[in-house]
Amino acid sequence: DGGITQSPKYLFRKEGQNVTLSCEQNLNHDAMYWYRQDPGQGLRLIYYSQIVNDFQKGDIAEGYSVSREKKESFPLTVTSAQKNPTAFYLCASSIDITDTQYFGPGTRLTVL
Amino acid sequence: GDSVTQMEGPVTLSEEAFLTINCTYTATGYPSLFWYVQYPGEGLQLLLKATKADDKGSNKGFEATYRKETTSFHLEKGSVQVSDSAVYFCAPRSYNTDKLIFGTGTRLQVFP
Repeated sequence: DGGITQSPKYLFRKEGQNVTLSCEQNLNHDAMYWYRQDPGQGLRLIYYSQIVNDFQKGDIAEGYSVSREKKESFPLTVTSAQKNPTAFYLCASSIDITDTQYFGPGTRLTVL
Repeated sequence: GDSVTQMEGPVTLSEEAFLTINCTYTATGYPSLFWYVQYPGEGLQLLLKATKADDKGSNKGFEATYRKETTSFHLEKGSVQVSDSAVYFCAPRSYNTDKLIFGTGTRLQVFP
C-alpha cells in the first residue's frame, strides 16, 4: 500500500527531553512537510523540504529541527527549547511543492 | 497576506439535510483551492480541489465551485450522513509561496 506513515500514534515525554517523530512515505514524492495542530485550531507549518538534503523553515520553526537524508523520510525533532510542545503533529508530502499535499495519520505528543 | 475565513462551527444537522460550509479567501493571483476533512483523532484527507476559476471539485457527494469574482469556495452536499461528522478545512494554496493557508476549520455534527 502506498502512503504516508507516522509513528508512534501517541508519544509521551518528560519536560526537557528531546523527542523525534518519524514520517515515512513510499509515494516517491519530492516534497515533505511538518505541521502542528493545537486543539480547535488550524494547521501551522513548522518545516518543509522540497528535495533531499534541503529544507526550509516554516512559520513556527523555533524549537524544532529536521533532516532529509533520504527521499522517503523526514524526521522531526522537538527540542527542549520548544516552549509548548504538546500538540498533534502532522506530516504531509506532495509530488513537488506546487502539487497537492497528502497527509499522514498524525502523532499526538504529550509532554509531562 | 493570504488568509482564509470559514464559517464558525459547530454546524449541526439532521441526517439527509442539505449542507453548506462557507469559505472565502484573500490572496494574490489565482491560488489553487482545497477542501480537507479530518475525522476525530486522524490526519487530514483530501476531499476535493479546484485549480482555476469556475472549476468544480467533487467527491463522495460533496461539491465546491471556484468563484473568482467572490473569492469563495463554498462546500455543499445535498444529503449528509452521520458518517460525515468531522472537521472540514478550506485551504487555498498561496500563489506566491505555494504554502497551504489553513483556517480553524468548521466542525460538522450530523445526528440521526
